[in-house]
Amino acid sequence: DAKTTQPPSMDCAEGRAANLPCNHSTISGNEYVYWYRQIHSQGPQYIIHGLKNNETNEMASLIITEDRKSSTLILPHATLRDTAVYYCIVRTHNYNQGGKLIFGQGTELSVKP
Amino acid sequence: SQTIHQWPATLVQPVGSPLSLECTVEGTSNPNLYWYRQAAGRGLQLLFYSVGIGQISSEVPQNLSASRPQDRQFILSSKKLLLSDSGFYLCAWSVEGNQPQHFGDGTRLSIL
Repeated sequence: DAKTTQPPSMDCAEGRAANLPCNHSTISGNEYVYWYRQIHSQGPQYIIHGLKNNETNEMASLIITEDRKSSTLILPHATLRDTAVYYCIVRTHNYNQGGKLIFGQGTELSVKP
Repeated sequence: SQTIHQWPATLVQPVGSPLSLECTVEGTSNPNLYWYRQAAGRGLQLLFYSVGIGQISSEVPQNLSASRPQDRQFILSSKKLLLSDSGFYLCAWSVEGNQPQHFGDGTRLSIL
């Protein structure tokens, strides 16, 4: 599975959009990009995933560059409750491995009033 | 809808004691099941995964074992806990294909 690179920390003002970048320059054609977040002392929460097209759901938008070497997670109107560590993960589904996730260190997002 | 339950939420055990953590999933059949561990200040590490009853794959050599006695039940065990087994243990489930894994609330294990 491809390795990802994320900034260790970011700040965002409450009510503004939070744009979290992720580099995955070694991604292969069948690998998806996943985003999770982990609020302190809780289990990771799934946010969104995509292959090549941009995706949007009730939580966030995922923008994947045309060459798929990087992506951006967008929280359109950040709230204090969005303060968490955000993980960008790329993986394929290998049936023999059950499609494991490899978590890096993520980006610690602090939303400030 | 699908739900995942882990218990207990916190556990304090002496070195050398046994361990049994349980995870159950509701609302889905034949899920893939996973055990992860998160040491303090670090990312998650996959310990075990299972694609079916009785089928367990271990990702790292360690003092722990896993079992899947029923379709939606996943158990993490140890015969003798070590200090290094302390951490935050998370169970997760997914269906086949490139679908997300969903995590439980975790068990925080402290070894004294």
